Amino acid sequence: NAGVTQTPKFRVLKTGQSMTLLCAQDMNHEYMYWYRQDPGMGLRLIHYSVGEGTTAKGEVPDGYNVSRLKKQNFLLGLESAAPSQTSVYFCASSFYPGPADTQYFGPGTRLTVL
Amino acid sequence: GNSVTQMEGPVTLSEEAFLTINCTYTATGYPSLFWYVQYPGEGLQLLLKATKADDKGSNKGFEATYRKETTSFHLEKGSVQVSDSAVYFCALRRRMRFGAGTRLTVKP
Repeated sequence: NAGVTQTPKFRVLKTGQSMTLLCAQDMNHEYMYWYRQDPGMGLRLIHYSVGEGTTAKGEVPDGYNVSRLKKQNFLLGLESAAPSQTSVYFCASSFYPGPADTQYFGPGTRLTVL
Repeated sequence: GNSVTQMEGPVTLSEEAFLTINCTYTATGYPSLFWYVQYPGEGLQLLLKATKADDKGSNKGFEATYRKETTSFHLEKGSVQVSDSAVYFCALRRRMRFGAGTRLTVKP
């Protein structure tokens, strides 16, 4: 059981380049999330998905797109990267969004935009 | 809106010292509250949680009590170890709001 995995672990982009971050989970969870972690700001929700084929905006969605074509995968795309998107990105999943649900996190992707 | 305010760090303690990390929240209703821990180079892991007022979450010697009268969920441990060095995040369930994180370093 790998849990939640993220690809790649590190990436450096130039301003204006595009890339896709991949998140995969093998726990058959319905819900998946993308967060960014910035110093002094904790984690902020970018987008989330409540099931295969669905996506929804979180707290800071601008500049990002997501897709959930398969239940186990959740992709985060940056169409035109900006230095403000330099951050550590975490994917998480949960079985259902009940009041006490636990989110399981991946190891993170460190992205630098020059 | 919903928000979490967490004690600023970093916090440095000697082994076996008592730990308190303060967390207060603003939310409508009574959302579930969580403490997550992030060890160096890793993702976040659930440390403990509480789903209603006066609930006490506990795990690995850490405790936190959901206090609705003070809207707080402070994290405590009676005797910290070097292995507890990590960043600790308080979070509430409504759209999963996280605090800024508190870095704890425990020295032998």
